[in-house]
Amino acid sequence: AQSVAQPEDQVNVAEGNPLTVKCTYSVSGNPYLFWYVQYPNRGLQFLLKYITGDNLVKGSYGFEAEFNKSQTSFHLKKPSALVSDSALYFCAVRDQTGANNLFFGTGTRLTVIP
Amino acid sequence: ETGVTQSPTHLIKTRGQQVTLRCSSQSGHNTVSWYQQALGQGPQFIFQYYREEENGRGNFPPRFSGLQFPNYSSELNVNALELDDSALYLCASSSFSGATGELFFGEGSRLTVL
Repeated sequence: AQSVAQPEDQVNVAEGNPLTVKCTYSVSGNPYLFWYVQYPNRGLQFLLKYITGDNLVKGSYGFEAEFNKSQTSFHLKKPSALVSDSALYFCAVRDQTGANNLFFGTGTRLTVIP
Repeated sequence: ETGVTQSPTHLIKTRGQQVTLRCSSQSGHNTVSWYQQALGQGPQFIFQYYREEENGRGNFPPRFSGLQFPNYSSELNVNALELDDSALYLCASSSFSGATGELFFGEGSRLTVL
């Protein structure tokens, strides 16, 4: 069975500082990994994905994520946080049985402090 | 390009009632997935529809059912509502031929069961 874990419920960072939101995964075989963001009372917006290739993936709004196979991690990063980045972030892994659905983590609430 | 739209945005039902939620997929997408997001949790996969047939199902009882129409829009029906069915229901569309699993979400229908 595949799954992702987000060990931090809440991350606080000062505006302008780098941010990291952590995610670890558990799959058999090669993972397809995703990050989504959810603003209050809204649906999920796609940020980036790792399928294969370069371990550093660049996505929307200046976010990037680093795939680390040895540590089974896929941490989301941004060099300089903005107050508008405050939201709920979800890591997800694709179902490998072929149904094309995603298994989501429990989410990490990011608060960027002005 | 039209994104994923869901209706209604909010609704309140009482225990034992039935509810129908609707979703229009993004232009060019032929697959619709439904997710349930309980308060403080990540989205959980309910089922997926492709070519008007169910193409995968999560761990939800049979009282959760769905339909997909020839124009790829979809409905989620929940019978015999229970208090625990209170959640944000998210619809996501995708292209089945896309192996990358990227999903495009609507803003959700928030169901409250009293």
